[in-house]
Amino acid sequence: DVKVTQSSRYLVKRTGEKVFLECVQDMDHENMFWYRQDPGLGLRLIYFSYDVKMKEKGDIPEGYSVSREKKERFSLILESASTNQTSMYLCASSFSTLGTGELFFGEGSRLTVL
Amino acid sequence: SQQGEEDPQALSIQEGENATMNCSYKTSINNLQWYRQNSGRGLVHLILIRSNEREKHSGRLRVTLDTSKKSSSLLITASRAADTASYFCATDVTSGSRLTFGEGTQLTVNP
Repeated sequence: DVKVTQSSRYLVKRTGEKVFLECVQDMDHENMFWYRQDPGLGLRLIYFSYDVKMKEKGDIPEGYSVSREKKERFSLILESASTNQTSMYLCASSFSTLGTGELFFGEGSRLTVL
Repeated sequence: SQQGEEDPQALSIQEGENATMNCSYKTSINNLQWYRQNSGRGLVHLILIRSNEREKHSGRLRVTLDTSKKSSSLLITASRAADTASYFCATDVTSGSRLTFGEGTQLTVNP
């Protein structure tokens, strides 16, 4: 069974804290993605990566950074969390080039910033 | 603005009825995909239809694609209470390199 695992299902952090969201996939996929999901706004792409140590900005990268040191792991970093970053964060991976194939999603990490 | 937009935003039907959800998009695409999301969970891929295909079936799912109208529809036949979920279309635009999701249709199937 293919699997994308997000490290935390629920997190509560304080404004200004540094937050790490980890995502690991066991399918040897080249492509990995971070989306955030908010009511009325759907899923919005934050960052994606097509290879180790490679990253590309998505539609809403401000306030976020990412790290991909190993093929199976893609981390999302909030350098200084703010209340408007309270959201559901979804990691996904895919095998196809250019990220056009089927995405496999993790269960999501619901982050609350107080 | 979102590339894909689903319609309706919410749909409530009785078990056994068919459910139809629509998706419209703005630019040319390589493919269009449909995903399902149970409340509070991740998304699960349902079906992918390429730009040169017009219709595709998978079990109780039927997807159509009309590239001239830039629209797609997802039909779920003989719906079950377990089909209650949000359904999203996602487009892979020819000029881009990633999927863009719509806001989803919330389907409720009443037993």
